[in-house]
Amino acid sequence: AQTVTQSQPEMSVQEAETVTLSCTYDTSENNYYLFWYKQPPSRQMILVIRQEAYKQQNATENRFSVNFQKAAKSFSLKISDSQLGDTAMYFCAFMKPDSGAQKLVFGQGTRLTINP
Amino acid sequence: NAGVTQTPKFQVLKTGQSMTLQCAQDMNHEYMSWYRQDPGMGLRLIHYSVGAGITDQGEVPNGYNVSRSTTEDFPLRLLSAAPSQTSVYFCASSKQGQALNTGELFFGEGSRLTVL
Repeated sequence: AQTVTQSQPEMSVQEAETVTLSCTYDTSENNYYLFWYKQPPSRQMILVIRQEAYKQQNATENRFSVNFQKAAKSFSLKISDSQLGDTAMYFCAFMKPDSGAQKLVFGQGTRLTINP
Repeated sequence: NAGVTQTPKFQVLKTGQSMTLQCAQDMNHEYMSWYRQDPGMGLRLIHYSVGAGITDQGEVPNGYNVSRSTTEDFPLRLLSAAPSQTSVYFCASSKQGQALNTGELFFGEGSRLTVL
């Protein structure tokens, strides 16, 4: 079974700083997907960024980028120029392709606070 | 733009009572699933469905039942609530084959359940 580990329960940075959230995972699969989801205080889960394991290039979405190290099974999220609205729980998630069933395995989450 | 709608948003039960958490989506998504979120444990998959009439167990199915009589609805039933089922429950859906099963899930806003 796959496992996802987020070793940082909480992080706090000043507005405009850059912050990196860590995620490691364990799998024997070669083809899979990795995700970062954001959960603000409203509880709504929002997809931040997605990475396909077969792609060597790291995914980027505006201020959000990942450092995907397949051999090390590491998938960190970097938030540049952090904003107050980035304050949220962040979850790393793993999924192996399965016909029709998109079963995600989530990490424990990292609570990120952006201070003014 | 209703998306995924969960009801109720809050519920308090006594041990042994039964209840149903409702989930409806208006995006014609084949795949629907239920997760529970507990502090320090992230989100864990309870049950999922790849289409009407088809359901299967996730990681933590004990104490929960589901059915999928229509594409739109995927209710989660607690037959005899226990304090261990105190949690926040999320329904999520996705279109089967969406972007080659890239795993982007659309989440409801969550239902907070307390069992006394």
